[in-house]
Amino acid sequence: ETGVTQSPTHLIKTRGQQVTLRCSSQSGHNTVSWYQQALGQGPQFIFQYYREEENGRGNFPPRFSGLQFPNYSSELNVNALELDDSALYLCASSAGLAGGLEQFFGPGTRLTVL
Amino acid sequence: GESVGLHLPTLSVQEGDNSIINCAYSNSASDYFIWYKQESGKGPQFIIDIRSNMDKRQGQRVTVLLNKTVKHLSLQIAATQPGDSAVYFCAELSGGSQGNLIFGKGTKLSVKP
Repeated sequence: ETGVTQSPTHLIKTRGQQVTLRCSSQSGHNTVSWYQQALGQGPQFIFQYYREEENGRGNFPPRFSGLQFPNYSSELNVNALELDDSALYLCASSAGLAGGLEQFFGPGTRLTVL
Repeated sequence: GESVGLHLPTLSVQEGDNSIINCAYSNSASDYFIWYKQESGKGPQFIIDIRSNMDKRQGQRVTVLLNKTVKHLSLQIAATQPGDSAVYFCAELSGGSQGNLIFGKGTKLSVKP
């Protein structure tokens, strides 16, 4: 176990709805990155948060947004859900500038959009 | 552009044999690479990493080799066990210590008893 937790485990939404996914980082880590993993594919980078600020973003539309809190936990929000948003959403925490480069992943949230 | 690809999508080996999983990367500026193992229904699990100033790094039953000349990375698993069955991803870190990981599609390793 990595110490990174995510909630909920599974979620079913309908097209057009909004969703919030949550991540608690490993103790001592101040950086959280979010990834989307479609079935049969490798994870794709959505964005990263470092000390409550967005610190890099992948090729995802603005309806994907996030937050990081003072305790370094993080949220991923997706508005106006589309069918293609169905995927496993992973968060990874790392020590960033303060330490090693390793990113440790949580178990993911499986989102299904109907 | 930046990409990480894998030579083989599936690999089937006999229990006890050695496994070799290959990966090609295209960004010659990448200086940090990680191998992850992902079991069904779980998040990727860190296996081993290597920096670009190294050619080889060994862990417990695993070895990663880096060939910067041809931009090739491999993961060797010794004495493969049924518990090694999973999808293996190589990833490169783009953007330094605050960067993001770029993953390939993965190789599915199946271990036959």
